[in-house]
Amino acid sequence: AQSVTQLGSHVSVSEGALVLLRCNYSSSVPPYLFWYVQYPNQGLQLLLKYTTGATLVKGINGFEAEFKKSETSFHLTKPSAHMSDAAEYFCAVSREGSGNTGKLIFGQGTTLQVKP
Amino acid sequence: GAVVSQHPSWVICKSGTSVKIECRSLDFQATTMFWYRQFPKQSLMLMATSNEGSKATYEQGVEKDKFLINHASLTLSTLTVTSAHPEDSSFYICRGSGGRTEAFFGQGTRLTVV
Repeated sequence: AQSVTQLGSHVSVSEGALVLLRCNYSSSVPPYLFWYVQYPNQGLQLLLKYTTGATLVKGINGFEAEFKKSETSFHLTKPSAHMSDAAEYFCAVSREGSGNTGKLIFGQGTTLQVKP
Repeated sequence: GAVVSQHPSWVICKSGTSVKIECRSLDFQATTMFWYRQFPKQSLMLMATSNEGSKATYEQGVEKDKFLINHASLTLSTLTVTSAHPEDSSFYICRGSGGRTEAFFGQGTRLTVV
């Protein structure tokens, strides 16, 4: 069975500082991995996804993530945080055989706080 | 990009009443709709998966008679919370999939049962 673990339920950074949100996964098959952002009382917006190919994935709003099979990780980074980045971030893995548009298993979420 | 429109965005209802939540795919045909539930400060938990024209498949522990899902057309899926109780208060989100390279979330519905 697949699972996702996000290390750190709350991350606080200063504006302009590096953002690093950690995600580790467990999967017995090659995973499809996703990062989503959620603002209060809103749905989820896809930041980026890894399916196959290049392991460094670039997404929207300056975010990127690197798939490291040896470490079973898919950490999300952004070189310079903006105040508007403050939100809840979810890492997800698709269920076995679900592909890109199937069932997702979500991590617990990480709240990103950006201090001025 | 493709859009899934979810309504209402928030609803307050009395205990014992039923509430219907709609998700419409506006520019694609959502052959599959996933319904999630999210408690405050927690992650999303998949409740059920519905395919157009078929009965929904519910995840373990989800009461299918309480959470009625209808997916009668390729552009509309509904979730009805029947005989709602305060413990059903939550954030409900749909996610539509079909004919695109990714699936799309609705905006979510905040249900409060008083």
